[in-house]
Amino acid sequence: QKEVEQNSGPLSVPEGAIASLNCTYSDRVSQSFFWYRQYSGKSPELIMSIYSNGDKEDGRFTAQLNKASQYVSLLIRDSQPSDSATYLCAVNTGGFKTIFGAGTRLFVKA
Amino acid sequence: DAGITQSPRHKVTETGTPVTLRCHQTENHRYMYWYRQDPGHGLRLIHYSYGVKDTDKGEVSDGYSVSRSKTEDFLLTLESATSSQTSVYFCATTLDTGTSGPRGNEQFFGPGTRLTVL
Repeated sequence: QKEVEQNSGPLSVPEGAIASLNCTYSDRVSQSFFWYRQYSGKSPELIMSIYSNGDKEDGRFTAQLNKASQYVSLLIRDSQPSDSATYLCAVNTGGFKTIFGAGTRLFVKA
Repeated sequence: DAGITQSPRHKVTETGTPVTLRCHQTENHRYMYWYRQDPGHGLRLIHYSYGVKDTDKGEVSDGYSVSRSKTEDFLLTLESATSSQTSVYFCATTLDTGTSGPRGNEQFFGPGTRLTVL
C-alpha cells in the first residue's frame, strides 16, 4: 500500500463547476497536510496547508481533513481553465519526512 | 517565492559520467531537499540537509551524494550516471521543521533540472 494515494485521473470538469480531489494516507501519526499545484513542465507550488480536522477555505479553494478516516481533500469552486494542472497531495509524518502522492490531473473544459 | 534557483536547467549526459546539480536559495532556509520526479511515482526524496555539512539519506539515495558547504547551496552529485537516473530533479527548502510549528514543513520548490542520461 502506498503511503499517500491519489486517483491519477484525469478528472475532467466543466468551467464553473466544483472540482473535488481526494487523497488518503496510511500513517496515523501524520500531522501536516498540503496540496500543491503543478503545471506541466513546472515545479510544484503550495496552494493549501491544513493541520487540524475540518475545513479550511482560501478563496476558491477548500481543504478538508478527516484524520479518523485518514482522508484529505481539495475542493476547487468555480473551476477555471487556468486550474488545469496536476494536484499533489503531501503528508508530513514528522520531522523531515514529507510523502507526496503521485498526483491527480485535472482538466477544466471551457 | 522562496528565491530558489537550480542549475543547469537541462542536461544531457552519457552513462558513466559524473554529474553535479546545484541548488541555490536566497531565503536563508535551514532545510534543503533533493527530489526526483518520475511518471507514476510522484516526488521521491533523494537526500536532505538540516544545516551546513549536515545531510542524510532519503528513500532513493543509492547512486547519489550531496554536499552543503554553505547555507544557500546544496549540491547533488551522480558519481557515475545511469539511464535509470534520467528524471526531473527538484530542489526544495523549508524554513524549519522544528521551531516554526507545522508551517515549518511547507516546502518551496526550485524550477527543476531535466536530466537525460543516454
